Amino acid sequence: NAGVTQTPKFQVLKTGQSMTLQCAQDMNHNSMYWYRQDPGMGLRLIYYSASEGTTDKGEVPNGYNVSRLNKREFSLRLESAAPSQTSVYFCASSGAFKQRDTWGEKLFFGSGTQLSVL
Amino acid sequence: AQTVTQSQPEMSVQEAETVTLSCTYDTSENNYYLFWYKQPPSRQMILVIRQEAYKQQNATENRFSVNFQKAAKSFSLKISDSQLGDTAMYFCAFMNWDGGATNKLIFGTGTLLAVQP
Repeated sequence: NAGVTQTPKFQVLKTGQSMTLQCAQDMNHNSMYWYRQDPGMGLRLIYYSASEGTTDKGEVPNGYNVSRLNKREFSLRLESAAPSQTSVYFCASSGAFKQRDTWGEKLFFGSGTQLSVL
Repeated sequence: AQTVTQSQPEMSVQEAETVTLSCTYDTSENNYYLFWYKQPPSRQMILVIRQEAYKQQNATENRFSVNFQKAAKSFSLKISDSQLGDTAMYFCAFMNWDGGATNKLIFGTGTLLAVQP
């Protein structure tokens, strides 16, 4: 099935450990995103990539790094995890879609990663 | 910078009744999209409805419709004939449209809707 695949679905880390969240899309989208979701704060943009080879900071980039390995893949790395990074992380990609008689952009989301940092 | 505000953290509605979720946004841009996303307990993000700012006509999708007031920067979601399966967190979101590839989606903080039997 076409869509956005992110792994892992769950992860528990100790403070100071590192890990990489993987994301891949098979819809040939140029743009990809990483969001974090915290109670009462909605989804906040961490980093995004407008195209292969480019990345930009979003609203809450501190403590994270990203890599746009190719058009399909966009990974998020925590170099030294902190309890404040406990959250649900969503990868997304965006592309044009047609609804009735108009074209527009639509975001496709992965299923999320529940990360706990102890 | 664009902001999206949802002032109702939680709402409750009886099955088969109608409920309206509020959303306001702030932007100086003229070309943009507005969205409502639904997130059930499964955590999946589901697009409910979208609205192009240049369109005056309010978008509708079956039981879901919006009241888009561009001058007031308001974008409310009306759910008619509420069903138990509508129980979820609902997020309002804004996307600036510049025709390029940097179309970031900015989310509100969400409204938790509970449909009561």
